Amino acid sequence: KNQVEQSPQSLIILEGKNCTLQCNYTVSPFSNLRWYKQDTGRGPVSLTIMTFSENTKSNGRYTATLDADTKQSSLHITASQLSDSASYICVVSSYGNNRLAFGKGNQVVVIP
Amino acid sequence: NAGVTQTPKFRVLKTGQSMTLLCAQDMNHEYMYWYRQDPGMGLRLIHYSVGEGTTAKGEVPDGYNVSRLKKQNFLLGLESAAPSQTSVYFCASSRQAMNTEAFFGQGTRLTVV
Repeated sequence: KNQVEQSPQSLIILEGKNCTLQCNYTVSPFSNLRWYKQDTGRGPVSLTIMTFSENTKSNGRYTATLDADTKQSSLHITASQLSDSASYICVVSSYGNNRLAFGKGNQVVVIP
Repeated sequence: NAGVTQTPKFRVLKTGQSMTLLCAQDMNHEYMYWYRQDPGMGLRLIHYSVGEGTTAKGEVPDGYNVSRLKKQNFLLGLESAAPSQTSVYFCASSRQAMNTEAFFGQGTRLTVV
């Protein structure tokens, strides 16, 4: 079973609308959680990092939240733009384990 | 600032052929990684390196070999390509341990026929 589950798998939204992507994880002990954006044909690029003590963090129109108790994170995109069309990947790391756990990604398509 | 550069960007191999994918980073990062990305699956770690001259197996190492002779370069080799190795390969590097930000290359799309 994958240690990082993302939902929805894909969604289509109208330009200018908001959307929220979900990430649930079972990785333990938790170190940090990153959201990456992967444009088609490109490598992933880090958007935000959340550590255990952080509940929310923003990067422009992207806002990530973390609930370490329930092991859930969300990425909220405000006033979506066509350039937001991409896959958003949740990546969780743990202490003492030289590995990262990758989600399968949320595929977002923004249409005009 | 080039960051992480992968060569080649595309390649088609016949079953049984060999090839080497090159990854170069100019950020003086200690850690380097090779991942593969397949449809419907998350990125999976093939091999990684925690410093010059070191390599370690990831979760899907079979059929691949790696070398890190220089700190800035990480090579991924396929000795005898198989159709199951058709994938998009990403190289990444990070400053320190795996829980620090990873910087990815643009990917290599490999097709084995």
